[in-house]
Amino acid sequence: GQQVMQIPQYQHVQEGEDFTTYCNSSTTLSNIQWYKQRPGGHPVFLIQLVKSGEVKKQKRLTFQFGEAKKNSSLHITATQTTDVGTYFCADLINAGGTSYGKLTFGQGTILTVHP
Amino acid sequence: DTGVSQDPRHKITKRGQNVTFRCDPISEHNRLYWYRQTLGQGPEFLTYFQNEAQLEKSRLLSDRFSAERPKGSFSTLEIQRTEQGDSAMYLCASSLAWSGANVLTFGAGSRLTVL
Repeated sequence: GQQVMQIPQYQHVQEGEDFTTYCNSSTTLSNIQWYKQRPGGHPVFLIQLVKSGEVKKQKRLTFQFGEAKKNSSLHITATQTTDVGTYFCADLINAGGTSYGKLTFGQGTILTVHP
Repeated sequence: DTGVSQDPRHKITKRGQNVTFRCDPISEHNRLYWYRQTLGQGPEFLTYFQNEAQLEKSRLLSDRFSAERPKGSFSTLEIQRTEQGDSAMYLCASSLAWSGANVLTFGAGSRLTVL
């Protein structure tokens, strides 16, 4: 079945440094969603990307969808300790032109921030 | 409470026992999902309901697993004859069918430990 690969698995940064996680697939992604899961918490929706080449920003977070819709990235500028957690990308499965929330998640990138 | 509620939050059981988890979605959400998450991995899709109809089941859902959503509101996930490999976090999520973005709101999860 489809696999969504995410790298790196872990990233440790000093507070104030930038952070990027990458999501790749060998097949064309439908819609990419990004979630954040705090330690001991549950996934929380951040954003959805739909169009080829799409770029969206949320404050210090920048999300990109590749031109070929086979990769995506999340970049955090000037990390803060509140950014700690696991960041997941997920492909929203599109069946017969309809998508309904069936997601294939990547393995996640665990971000730790040293103050 | 306007979030997704799951009960119990933790369950420790002996191999071979049956367990049942309950999920109360956001009241106006007509779609409900069960996902399973093991340590260091992203959530994996198990099953999906639209109102009371179970529309898709993953092959991960063996015949020991059964999910119901009898009145299109809360849902239960039962695991019969539990095995150690069933140990995981069982996440429930809900969404609104016509929201367009298919944004899932996850509950805090029910953590199962099979001894």
